[in-house]
Amino acid sequence: QVQLVQSGAEVKKPGASVKVSCKASGYTFTSYDINWVRQATGQGLEWMGWMNPNSDNTGYAQKFQGRVTMTRNTSISTAYMELSSLRSEDTAVYYCARGEDFLDWGQGTLVTVSS
Amino acid sequence: DIQMTQSPSSLSASVGDRVTITCRASQGISNYLAWFQQKPGKAPKSLIYAASSLQSGVPSKFSGSGSGTDFTLTISSLQPEDFATYYCQQYNTYPFTFGPGTKVDIK
Repeated sequence: QVQLVQSGAEVKKPGASVKVSCKASGYTFTSYDINWVRQATGQGLEWMGWMNPNSDNTGYAQKFQGRVTMTRNTSISTAYMELSSLRSEDTAVYYCARGEDFLDWGQGTLVTVSS
Repeated sequence: DIQMTQSPSSLSASVGDRVTITCRASQGISNYLAWFQQKPGKAPKSLIYAASSLQSGVPSKFSGSGSGTDFTLTISSLQPEDFATYYCQQYNTYPFTFGPGTKVDIK
């Protein structure tokens, strides 16, 4: 069965960077885009961007341009999302999701930004 | 960016009720509309894609309709496991955008 398994919770100081991983299994990793979505506590879902694991093409929401980088390692079927210059407002659960229709989701990674 | 709105923002319903949630896009998105269910502390779960196509394994009590700018999600007979927050999302145009969510709780 398809699984997206994300890395564990992170605590970061303001100004630092965080890199979240998303390991895919159960399907051909290069056949589906990976999207990243975040959700602050008690808030709605916010799309951050996408990556095509085959071409390595990416697209980011303007809000995150210059601060987010999405990459992948096809040899281990893993996608990464790195967010830099963290601020308290970036405290949220970060999710990866498969495909343009977000068919499958990772379990989420809590990133806490606190001094 | 395409703005997505949902109504109502919350509703209280009883087991067995038929529930309808509306989603509106600020501009036409053809049928590139998905619905998700999210329970507290869990990742969203895909219910419907392409406005009306049921994801594999999703019970047929869920149905979606609409095209262009107006869409609906209907739950034909609400069960205890259906109490959750529901989000619509457009994937016609980048940036993809989500509606603010509709929380369905027990009356």
